[in-house]
Amino acid sequence: DAGVTQSPTHLIKTRGQQVTLRCSPKSGHDTVSWYQQALGQGPQFIFQYYEEEERQRGNFPDRFSGHQFPNYSSELNVNALLLGDSALYLCASSVTSGGHEPTDTQYFGPGTRLTVL
Amino acid sequence: AQTVTQSQPEMSVQEAETVTLSCTYDTSESNYYLFWYKQPPSRQMILVIRQEAYKQQNATENRFSVNFQKAAKSFSLKISDSQLGDTAMYFCAFPGYALNFGKGTSLLVTP
Repeated sequence: DAGVTQSPTHLIKTRGQQVTLRCSPKSGHDTVSWYQQALGQGPQFIFQYYEEEERQRGNFPDRFSGHQFPNYSSELNVNALLLGDSALYLCASSVTSGGHEPTDTQYFGPGTRLTVL
Repeated sequence: AQTVTQSQPEMSVQEAETVTLSCTYDTSESNYYLFWYKQPPSRQMILVIRQEAYKQQNATENRFSVNFQKAAKSFSLKISDSQLGDTAMYFCAFPGYALNFGKGTSLLVTP
């Protein structure tokens, strides 16, 4: 049973560019959350997708957007990249029970390391 | 808002010894879960152990156990018989729609 997968592993971009990161959830999971982890810090919540809609959002600007596909996979898009966007981007999947706030465990992918020059 | 505090930025333990990592949290909820995650240098965030607040019994997973004190809002992780492979960042996390993470404790296991 494949766990959460993310692509690419590493990415180097320049300021002002746009980037798309991809995530496939664990089999049987329907909810995808994205986190940004700066060096030496704990992950910070960006947003969560369920039923192809953004369900909850953290304190991140509109430059950060996402999408969830019918097969539950998800993309994270970041526009107008800033140096401060350099971080490890983690995707986590979970199961939402009955459409209520999820309380089940989130399983993480290996992350995408984004470097903005 | 829920907050999670890990007051030990770094810890070190010798192989085969026992170490305890501390975590406190703040919430107004009565029923919730708490998690410890491990992030080795490979950076993959791995679930170590999970505790459900309504269960009085402390969770245990092999060499890992928790000391959950609901009234004190304390959730510490005990690692017994430490192994070199336990070297990692350890994060305490409190869920809502998203996981709220502490700043982490860097654990070094030495030979």
